[in-house]
Amino acid sequence: KNEVEQSPQNLTAQEGEFITINCSYSVGISALHWLQQHPGGGIVSLFMLSSGKKKHGRLIATINIQEKHSSLHITASHPRDSAVYICAVWGADGLTFGKGTHLIIQP
Amino acid sequence: NAGVTQTPKFQVLKTGQSMTLQCAQDMNHEYMSWYRQDPGMGLRLIHYSVGAGITDQGEVPNGYNVSRSTTEDFPLRLLSAAPSQTSVYFCASKMSWPSSQAQHFGDGTRLSIL
Repeated sequence: KNEVEQSPQNLTAQEGEFITINCSYSVGISALHWLQQHPGGGIVSLFMLSSGKKKHGRLIATINIQEKHSSLHITASHPRDSAVYICAVWGADGLTFGKGTHLIIQP
Repeated sequence: NAGVTQTPKFQVLKTGQSMTLQCAQDMNHEYMSWYRQDPGMGLRLIHYSVGAGITDQGEVPNGYNVSRSTTEDFPLRLLSAAPSQTSVYFCASKMSWPSSQAQHFGDGTRLSIL
């Protein structure tokens, strides 16, 4: 079973700061998924990637398959970015989730 | 296009009661799945289906039943609710399995068992 570790577990930052959330996994995968969960609970897909880098607005996701590591970056962070960010990996036994990173952006 | 619709959004049950959590998608997705989310833990797979008439167990299937009679619907049944089943339940779907496409999630059902 794939083990998915996220760091940090909790992160509080000031508006405008550059944010990095890390995800490591133990077994080779076919793709990695970054998800966002706002207070109130709904889960939204941010990125699905299997190599390289993807960018959407102020969000950037990178993955290094050889090192089994992915990062999610948020540039010019804003209080509306406050949410739980979840990393999930697609492997032979389906989708395995990390425990999430709880991000708070203070004005 | 509604995506993935879960009902109800909230439910309180007594121990031993039964109920069905409904999940429907209108995207003609073959793959559907149910997860539970508990504090301090990642989402965990309960059951999944790769197409109508086909279901299989996930990581934590005990106490839950599923069926998939149509492509659109994938209900989750609790036959005799237990306090350990207090959780937030998410249904998700994607086009097919095993392709690594993004999953679409419902808004969740918050279930409390007293």
